[in-house]
Order: sequence, then C-alpha cells, then structure tokens
Amino acid sequence: GAGVSQSPRYKVAKRGQDVALRCDPISGHVSLFWYQQALGQGPEFLTYFQNEAQLDKSGLPSDRFFAERPEGSVSTLKIQRTQQEDSAVYLCASSNGGSADTQYFGPGTRLTVL
Amino acid sequence: KQEVTQIPAALSVPEGENLVLNCSFTDSAIYNLQWFRQDPGKGLTSLLLIQSSQREQTSGRLNASLDKSSGRSTLYIAASQPGDSATYLCAVRGGNNRKLIWGLGTSLAVNP
Repeated sequence: GAGVSQSPRYKVAKRGQDVALRCDPISGHVSLFWYQQALGQGPEFLTYFQNEAQLDKSGLPSDRFFAERPEGSVSTLKIQRTQQEDSAVYLCASSNGGSADTQYFGPGTRLTVL
Repeated sequence: KQEVTQIPAALSVPEGENLVLNCSFTDSAIYNLQWFRQDPGKGLTSLLLIQSSQREQTSGRLNASLDKSSGRSTLYIAASQPGDSATYLCAVRGGNNRKLIWGLGTSLAVNP
C-alpha cells in the first residue's frame, strides 16, 4: 500500500508567519511521530501520538510548536510565528506498534524561514 | 541521557570494497537499534532493525551487529556499489519510551 506522505514538500515562510505541515501515515498505523532534522544533523524527536492521544511532546522546542491528530490518522504540525532557526526538514513517521516497532518515514517537508 | 555517535562522519571508497560503519551509544538500556539510509531530498529508509535481545541482522549485502553491553553496533556492507552512496544513520530506541535517538550519520560515497 501507499507509504507515509507529507505535504507540502517545500515551504518558504517569512519570519513571523504561521505554517502548517501535514502528515498522512500508512493506513492502519496507530503510532505517528514527528522529527526535526536541521542541515547536516541527525533527526531530533519532537512528539508522538498513539491514535489521537499525544503521549510524548517532550521534544517540541517551544510553545510555538503544536501538533494534533484529532481523528487518529492524519496529523498536522503547526509552527506559529516562525523564526529562522525553525528552518529544517520536518519528518513524519508511522508505526503499527508491533514488537519490532519499525518506524516508516515520509519524504519530509523542507521549511525555509526567511 | 542517551547519546549516539557515528564514526566516521564521511567515507569514500572504490566500488567493490567491503566496509564497516560504526555506531556507539551511551545507555545500554535500549529496546532496539535501527540502521537507516537517507538519500538527498528523500526520506529515511529503514535497512535493518536489531532487537535488544538479538546480536545481528542480515539483509542481502548488509549485516548489522549489536553489542549492547559495550554500547556498539556496526553496519557491514559487502561488495559496495555506487548505488550504495547515501548517508547512513543509526537510531536507538530507549527501553521506556518510543522515540528514536539518532546519530549524525556517515556520508558514504562509493566511486565507480
């Protein structure tokens, strides 16, 4: 079936704008994860959901970052009042939560804040 | 706090060579360890996942080993090909949470 999809693939925002990034997980996957990857760095965990419940948001860097998954499938990561340091690739992953718990990643959204 | 380190940061080899990528982690209380491949402009592809109770996993020309007590994993690539050129990332899942902690990756170039 289809893999994890993310939209938009590229987003350019002016500093101070709000942005919304979308993730469509693999159908039936109950777990959904968001990561932030700055240029030349490894991904950094932001938050994760089990169905619609946000079980861990310890990686969100500030209260400008907000994620939701209201119906337990599609998720949106919202960044308010974007700043230049928010420029990164935002990766979404989903998992069926089995014993192996492999996370399957989408192509990412590259956010550039000018 | 778990920290993951990958050595070397970059590697350039001629086609056909066997090579080893290294990953080390500071907290041995892990649930599993995954090796991923990342191509420019694309997402992450899971290559191998090793559970904490396992010592190694193999897929085709790839073999990953895990020594939990010493906090080390290696990814062995046999008979490298130009198509193997990518960044290889190691990620560790802790025992009491679902998030992955990542290394910075090894950038591999296999030259024809």
